[in-house]
Amino acid sequence: DVKVTQSSRYLVKRTGEKVFLECVQDMDHENMFWYRQDPGLGLRLIYFSYDVKMKEKGDIPEGYSVSREKKERFSLILESASTNQTSMYLCASQTAGTSGYNEQFFGPGTRLTVL
Amino acid sequence: LAKTTQPISMDSYEGQEVNITCSHNNIATNDYITWYQQFPSQGPRFIIQGYKTKVTNEVASLFIPADRKSSTLSLPRVSLSDTAVYYCLVGERGQGGYNKLIFGAGTRLAVHP
Repeated sequence: DVKVTQSSRYLVKRTGEKVFLECVQDMDHENMFWYRQDPGLGLRLIYFSYDVKMKEKGDIPEGYSVSREKKERFSLILESASTNQTSMYLCASQTAGTSGYNEQFFGPGTRLTVL
Repeated sequence: LAKTTQPISMDSYEGQEVNITCSHNNIATNDYITWYQQFPSQGPRFIIQGYKTKVTNEVASLFIPADRKSSTLSLPRVSLSDTAVYYCLVGERGQGGYNKLIFGAGTRLAVHP
């Protein structure tokens, strides 16, 4: 079974702090994604990566950056946390192959609160 | 990317069949229809995917009419543990890159005893 793990389930930070959210997958997937989920808004894509050291902006990249130094690990960075970044953050991974369902496998999420 | 529309919420009772319909009027030729399920405090998980006609697996069935402008997720004999949010998504399969998924607000299904 694919396993996607995230470094923390709950995190509380203060405004202005630099925040790192880590995600690791164990299925050698090429693609990795970071979403945030807010009530009534569904999941919104922040950034994705289709290869090591490659990244692409999603729909709401402002205030975030990412790092992918190794294939299995994708980090989301909040350079200077703000209260409007309080949210549930979800990481996902996906194979880049064209056969099969190509579903995204999600981690359990990190609920970040910025005070 | 095709936009999808689905009911915000539905209620059912244990043992009933639940059908959740999603409309996607602007679906493209290469698009597949995929459904995810999300329990509270968990990430979404893949349920089923189809292109046309009917697809069935151990969890659900997916009915897609010939014009593909809508689809219906069918959950047979639901139990309390099927209470979750169900997302309908439309998009291409990965083609060496990625397939960007747009998750709307989903349908919140509540199953009652």
